[in-house]
Amino acid sequence: GAVVSQHPSRVICKSGTSVKIECRSLDFQATTMFWYRQFPKQSLMLMATSNEGSKATYEQGVEKDKFLINHASLTLSTLTVTSAHPEDSSFYICSAPQGAGETQYFGPGTRLLVL
Amino acid sequence: GQNIDQPTEMTATEGAIVQINCTYQTSGFNGLFWYQQHAGEAPTFLSYNVLDGLEEKGRFSSFLSRSKGYSYLLLKELQMKDSASYLCAVMDSNYQLIWGAGTKLIIKP
Repeated sequence: GAVVSQHPSRVICKSGTSVKIECRSLDFQATTMFWYRQFPKQSLMLMATSNEGSKATYEQGVEKDKFLINHASLTLSTLTVTSAHPEDSSFYICSAPQGAGETQYFGPGTRLLVL
Repeated sequence: GQNIDQPTEMTATEGAIVQINCTYQTSGFNGLFWYQQHAGEAPTFLSYNVLDGLEEKGRFSSFLSRSKGYSYLLLKELQMKDSASYLCAVMDSNYQLIWGAGTKLIIKP
């Protein structure tokens, strides 16, 4: 299957700071990538669709000014959590589609803890 | 509205067989996916069905009936490492992926 990486895998930051998470497709190109958030023992929640060369599409209820997405190239999308607060602490996972049925392949996730 | 239903939790015994069902109601259909997610980790892709029938891949098989809006994931020769959540997802006519809430599978020795 296709390989997607994320960096960092874990980050702890102070309230009010910004955190950048990178998502890379390692062995394929992705014009679209997806960003999810998952709170403990809850379902995956799609936050936004990252589009190479154009603006991201945000799901209802997700603040685009707080969660900045940049799809800089065909293999890289970044999610920046601006002015992070403790309630933003969560597991952030990206995915990129590839192959049959546009199967989504997930990165390993980034665990964010805001103190 | 769009909806995917799967049991919240199932328990099975090591070495046995378990079937996890998924029913869906979506606007259009462009394929059904099963993912495995271990606690604290990201989901990993298991299977993709777009035509009716059974797809076998080692110990795991996935079945689809489009007319019934139904799929199942069959796990054979269960191992302790199969303890995880299993997520059913359907791609609708707009190529949006609709996710089920997942089935937590507990394997007992």
